[in-house]
Amino acid sequence: DTGVSQDPRHKITKRGQNVTFRCDPISEHNRLYWYRQTLGQGPEFLTYFQNEAQLEKSRLLSDRFSAERPKGSFSTLEIQRTEQGDSAMYLCASSLYTGTFEGYTFGSGTRLTVV
Amino acid sequence: KQEVTQIPAALSVPEGENLVLNCSFTDSAIYNLQWFRQDPGKGLTSLLLIQSSQREQTSGRLNASLDKSSGRSTLYIAASQPGDSATYLCAGPNTDKLIFGTGTRLQVFP
Repeated sequence: DTGVSQDPRHKITKRGQNVTFRCDPISEHNRLYWYRQTLGQGPEFLTYFQNEAQLEKSRLLSDRFSAERPKGSFSTLEIQRTEQGDSAMYLCASSLYTGTFEGYTFGSGTRLTVV
Repeated sequence: KQEVTQIPAALSVPEGENLVLNCSFTDSAIYNLQWFRQDPGKGLTSLLLIQSSQREQTSGRLNASLDKSSGRSTLYIAASQPGDSATYLCAGPNTDKLIFGTGTRLQVFP
């Protein structure tokens, strides 16, 4: 297992276009998280899944954002009608939830630039 | 609302110094904590994690401690090296969702 993979690494899009990012977690991990990070800030929580169920969504996740995790494996994050304020690094993490804290493993992120 | 503060925000030191990075939570009910390192433009690399039954963890030149009564954590870096230059982030407080601080930007010069 090579860790958490995110695709693409970079995405440049025009304002108003839709974009979709993919995250492949560590295979045995049942939880998957999406975060957003802007320059000079710490990552901000967006949403998380346990298996295929989306358990929590941040208020940061407007109705233009949607995330899915079909079959409890990979996840996609879609942003519709992108705005310049959506420019950020989108980070995915996964963890194994067993009732105790096993720590998060992050991917390398997808850097989105909206022009 | 849980908020995380990291002090100092930035630090520039000559190599060889021992360093202390601080992290504090507004809500002291912290059950788990994880320290990460982030290089510019990259993802986060886990350094240390402290589970609910633990008070500190050590890995090589790094030691992290957690004082649950005060909601504070400290990351100690011994004998700093230029390769330690990065942003260090702490995150807690529980298994369901990690909340991050804004980080400490560390530069270690030769």
